Amino acid sequence: QSALTQPAPVSGSPGQSITISCTGTSNDVGGYNLVSWYQQYPGKAPKLLIYEVTERPSGVSNRFSGSKSGNTASLTISGLQAEDEADYYCCSYARNNIWIFGGGTKVTVL
Amino acid sequence: EVQLVESGGGLVQPGGSLRLSCAASGFTFSNYWMHWVRQVLGKGLMWVSRIDTDGSETTYADSVKGRFTISRDNTKNTLYLQIIGLRAEDSGVYYCARDPVIPDGMDVWGQGTTVLVSS
Repeated sequence: QSALTQPAPVSGSPGQSITISCTGTSNDVGGYNLVSWYQQYPGKAPKLLIYEVTERPSGVSNRFSGSKSGNTASLTISGLQAEDEADYYCCSYARNNIWIFGGGTKVTVL
Repeated sequence: EVQLVESGGGLVQPGGSLRLSCAASGFTFSNYWMHWVRQVLGKGLMWVSRIDTDGSETTYADSVKGRFTISRDNTKNTLYLQIIGLRAEDSGVYYCARDPVIPDGMDVWGQGTTVLVSS
């Protein structure tokens, strides 16, 4: 049950687009369309941003979008804003009814 | 208002035990799977355990199997996590989270309860 692989800190300027990858295996990310993404501010609980790879819950900005190719899922933040500075985690359902989180990616807005 | 409120955390000696609770309100608790997720201070999220709607099916991360037991009481709208044989590496903030199943995704989270294992 190794953590999914996410990149080290990612930064961007306001208005830019950034993409965070989440790499797993065929037993998790690649095997199911059950990848979700969470945003977390320091000292706060995580918030669901994307579910089932591409779907956005109501109330989540359409600047956030998800995709998947093979064993790698991605979260793209378009039109980066100061309020997007936070930690982002991917999570995938995996074989044998378990879930696996990624190690997290800190996003900095320059 | 849909809400999850965790409680039961605290300072515990190594080898001790603890029961965490998660009180649900504002939604039909028995319709949802529930998860526990741990976060070590300053580190990432780690999925701990999941229970189905009536408590008949539970799954655990390998690192907690045999020491952690997830359960629920749908009459009390409460989720539990019993932990025995606590170790230093069990320290962290424990969150409970709701999962609608369809669609998949942890859509509501509590504020967390902190467990510190130390002598």
